[in-house]
Amino acid sequence: DAKTTQPPSMDCAEGRAANLPCNHSTISGNEYVYWYRQIHSQGPQYIIHGLKNNETNEMASLIITEDRKSSTLILPHATLRDTAVYYCIVRVAGYSTLTFGKGTMLLVSP
Amino acid sequence: DTGVSQDPRHKITKRGQNVTFRCDPISEHNRLYWYRQTLGQGPEFLTYFQNEAQLEKSRLLSDRFSAERPKGSFSTLEIQRTEQGDSAMYLCASSLAGSSQGDGFGGYTFGSGTRLTVV
Repeated sequence: DAKTTQPPSMDCAEGRAANLPCNHSTISGNEYVYWYRQIHSQGPQYIIHGLKNNETNEMASLIITEDRKSSTLILPHATLRDTAVYYCIVRVAGYSTLTFGKGTMLLVSP
Repeated sequence: DTGVSQDPRHKITKRGQNVTFRCDPISEHNRLYWYRQTLGQGPEFLTYFQNEAQLEKSRLLSDRFSAERPKGSFSTLEIQRTEQGDSAMYLCASSLAGSSQGDGFGGYTFGSGTRLTVV
């Protein structure tokens, strides 16, 4: 799987949009971008995934650049409960396991 | 269904003892995974099952570790002769192969983990 690079930490004010970047410059054409988050003392939680088109669900939006070398996870209106470690993962289609890095610790403050 | 259940939530054991953890996946999920997470690191893959077949094992899974999923439902992870380096959170996840999410793989659902402390 391609390697991803994320900032170790980010801050966001409650109610504002949180934009979490991820670099995956060596991504291959058959690799998907996945985002998970892990709230303290819980297991990781699936957020969203995409191949090349932008994706949106009830939790977040995923913006993938045209060259697919980077992506941004957007939480449109961050709340205190969004404080967590966010993991960006690249995974080959049809391959089941996920390789986690250290992720980005997002701290949402009042 | 209440999601993926793991038991126990916490386990403290003395070095050299054997421990066993249990994972109950979401009932309709046919894939089950074990991961290990140490402080400040992301989860690391250990092994996974599709139904009762163990399809992949990480090199992290030393011969002191064994996992089973005898009837394709719950799974157990046993660690024999525990060492202090085994102290970690052990996470179980499940998924449904061949989901509708386009690539034949839906998102994992993780349990809350079992925290092992070896003293």
